[in-house]
Amino acid sequence: GQQVMQIPQYQHVQEGEDFTTYCNSSTTLSNIQWYKQRPGGHPVFLIQLVKSGEVKKQKRLTFQFGEAKKNSSLHITATQTTDVGTYFCAGPDRTYKYIFGTGTRLKVLA
Amino acid sequence: EPEVTQTPSHQVTQMGQEVILRCVPISNHLYFYWYRQILGQKVEFLVSFYNNEISEKSEIFDDQFSVERPDGSNFTLKIRSTKLEDSAMYFCASSAQIYREGDYGYTFGSGTRLTVV
Repeated sequence: GQQVMQIPQYQHVQEGEDFTTYCNSSTTLSNIQWYKQRPGGHPVFLIQLVKSGEVKKQKRLTFQFGEAKKNSSLHITATQTTDVGTYFCAGPDRTYKYIFGTGTRLKVLA
Repeated sequence: EPEVTQTPSHQVTQMGQEVILRCVPISNHLYFYWYRQILGQKVEFLVSFYNNEISEKSEIFDDQFSVERPDGSNFTLKIRSTKLEDSAMYFCASSAQIYREGDYGYTFGSGTRLTVV
């Protein structure tokens, strides 16, 4: 079945450093979504990318969808302690349910 | 902002017992889902529900699991005879439209932590 992998699995950064998580799908995706899960919390929808090569920004977060629509990235500029959590990408399979990636857990050291 | 509400927040049950996890999706949403997350691991799909019937279920969703929407607002997940490996966080989610029709993500509830002892 479809697999969605993310790297790295964990990332510790000093506050103010940048952070990037990469998402790779085993199949071409029609769109990709990103979610953030705070420690002890639930996934919260951040954004959806649809077009090949699309780039979207939300303040310090930059999301990119690959040209082949099989990969995506999330980049955070100048991390803050509020960025702590696990970031998941999710892509629809052939029946349109979303398959979540393995997640990247971000820790920000003050 | 509309929320998906889940109760209880934490359920401890004896192995072999039945549990019912409850969810109230966002009122104008049409698609409902249950996902689960074993501690520290990925979010796994269990089942999707639309128009009062199951749309799809995963391999995890065996005969011990069932879902229903008894009264048009609640959406429940029942595990008939719990096993130790059912211990996980169970998330209910809803969406307004299937993705093809628009830019909608899932809204997740805050989850029920199920502990089977």
